Amino acid sequence: ETGVTQTPRHLVMGMTNKKSLKCEQHLGHNAMYWYKQSAKKPLELMFVYSLEERVENNSVPSRFSPECPNSSHLFLHLHTLQPEDSALYLCASSQGVDIDTQYFGPGTRLTVL
Amino acid sequence: GQNIDQPTEMTATEGAIVQINCTYQTSGFNGLFWYQQHAGEAPTFLSYNVLDGLEEKGRFSSFLSRSKGYSYLLLKELQMKDSASYLCAVRFFSGGYNKLIFGAGTRLAVHP
Repeated sequence: ETGVTQTPRHLVMGMTNKKSLKCEQHLGHNAMYWYKQSAKKPLELMFVYSLEERVENNSVPSRFSPECPNSSHLFLHLHTLQPEDSALYLCASSQGVDIDTQYFGPGTRLTVL
Repeated sequence: GQNIDQPTEMTATEGAIVQINCTYQTSGFNGLFWYQQHAGEAPTFLSYNVLDGLEEKGRFSSFLSRSKGYSYLLLKELQMKDSASYLCAVRFFSGGYNKLIFGAGTRLAVHP
């Protein structure tokens, strides 16, 4: 399944670095999502975009900055992260924001040193 | 508030049947999803229930009782490749549109 792709798959960064995660969906969907998955915790919704407009920011710290230039691409810009931000970051898309089935990318495993 | 509970871990034998339960407390309930996630991979959609009853899809079935806030995923003829985490997710209506929350997942180990 290559409907939703994410790069990089693994990322190690220091607390002072700036990096970006990229997500691309090839499904013609209109809604895209960022989730954080930490060990033994539920998936935490971070951001929701519908037709390139952010419709939800789930109390995410400003050191995470999303960008959605078009309905197929979603970025998550990272700066001055903390070690507790280490997690698997998953991107998903769905036909509409009213949530049909969501389709997930393989995720980026992020380690903050 | 919204809450989902599912067992943390389960083990089962190849060829057997296993039932993974999920209980939830939500307002504005509007459907329940089950996803499978192998270690290091993306969650993949398994099933969706919005009405009470059983939905069958091959070796996998999912049941919903809205009055009890309860669902289960039934896996038959277990195979080694079924070893994975199974995520229960509830859709609810809030703030003008549907949202989705996930349980922490049930890690299933299938052994020979």
